[in-house]
Amino acid sequence: DAKTTQPPSMDCAEGRAANLPCNHSTISGNEYVYWYRQIHSQGPQYIIHGLKNNETNEMASLIITEDRKSSTLILPHATLRDTAVYYCIVRFNAGNNRKLIWGLGTSLAVNP
Amino acid sequence: SAVISQKPSRDICQRGTSLTIQCQVDSQVTMMFWYRQQPGQSLTLIATANQGSEATYESGFVIDKFPISRPNLTFSTLTVSNMSPEDSSIYLCSVSVVGGSSSGANVLTFGAGSRLTVL
Repeated sequence: DAKTTQPPSMDCAEGRAANLPCNHSTISGNEYVYWYRQIHSQGPQYIIHGLKNNETNEMASLIITEDRKSSTLILPHATLRDTAVYYCIVRFNAGNNRKLIWGLGTSLAVNP
Repeated sequence: SAVISQKPSRDICQRGTSLTIQCQVDSQVTMMFWYRQQPGQSLTLIATANQGSEATYESGFVIDKFPISRPNLTFSTLTVSNMSPEDSSIYLCSVSVVGGSSSGANVLTFGAGSRLTVL
């Protein structure tokens, strides 16, 4: 599974959109982009995933560039409870979890 | 998605002792995993818990140090043996069901973790 690059930290004002970038320049054609987050003292939580098209669910939106070498997770109206570490991972859907690379993610601080 | 109960949630242990962490899932799952998250670090896969056979360990982790049981499709344990302060970490149980969600995603679901401090 390909490696990803994320900024180590970001700040966002409460109520504003939080845009978290991720670079995955070595992504292959069949690899999906997954996003998880880890709130302090909890296990990681799945947010959203996508292959080529932009995706939206009740938690967030995922924008994937046309060349698929980068993506952005958007939290449209960030709240204090969105303060967490956000992990971007690329993987084959039927891929082996043994090959997943969890980087250090982006630590998002939502400020009042 | 599956709901995972993990216990203990935290413990403080003495050097040289062993601690067993339990992971209970509310449904039968094929794939169960144990991760370690050291302070300030990301997740590292320890092993895949296989039902009815020995766990599959990742490089740097051995069965004598981290014995794992998987007696059925809903339960697993991880033991941290002969602990030292370097074993102070959060240990996380996780399950994966390919196509287990309506979107067909391969989603990992995690327990809340067991925070272990070794003195």
